[in-house]
Amino acid sequence: GAGVSQSPSNKVTEKGKDVELRCDPISGHTALYWYRQRLGQGLEFLIYFQGNSAPDKSGLPSDRFSAERTGESVSTLTIQRTQQEDSAVYLCASSLGSGPKNTEAFFGQGTRLTVV
Amino acid sequence: LAKITQPISMDSYEGQEVNITCSHNNIATNDYITWYQQFPSQGPRFIIQGYKTKVTNEVASLFIPADRKSSTLSLPRVSLSDTAVYYCLGHGGYQKVTFGIGTKLQVIP
Repeated sequence: GAGVSQSPSNKVTEKGKDVELRCDPISGHTALYWYRQRLGQGLEFLIYFQGNSAPDKSGLPSDRFSAERTGESVSTLTIQRTQQEDSAVYLCASSLGSGPKNTEAFFGQGTRLTVV
Repeated sequence: LAKITQPISMDSYEGQEVNITCSHNNIATNDYITWYQQFPSQGPRFIIQGYKTKVTNEVASLFIPADRKSSTLSLPRVSLSDTAVYYCLGHGGYQKVTFGIGTKLQVIP
């Protein structure tokens, strides 16, 4: 596709359930980022992939959060045993990632997660 | 990663030029300075990027002094549709891209 695609666009889940969020980056983009944005707040970095490896997982808030990326394309962010404080918009971005000049990040529309 | 400081909010009347200054005292030699714009319920969108001096595109201008410890995003003749949050970032390649809280610009009719 022409842009970064995220699915689902909205997800309502019960507290304690697991959820999987999907991100399809722009073809050819080797860098992929996940962010969390709570209502009225800035973007909170979660994890960064360069190819299929994740050199920086420092932003994952707890061991309930994990992410993987396969084939230098699709990435999934999994949240286990969801809590109400996990409610937020989860944004995915991708970039060429081949150097400082190529770090323009293209964002998807996000997945709005609501934990009830 | 550069430590970023920018105003939390700004107001401007339509048709005025808006300048948002960002401070990044510890920016690394390899880091570029990038600005993003975010509208409500959307992901951020790239506006402009620069390393030194002045960069201009169809949307904005970016002024970076020789010491690179700050940068100024200039939006000419803003309209109501420019109401958004503007993020300043300093980063190089092969690393995470970290956003601060940004500057919330409110354009007033």
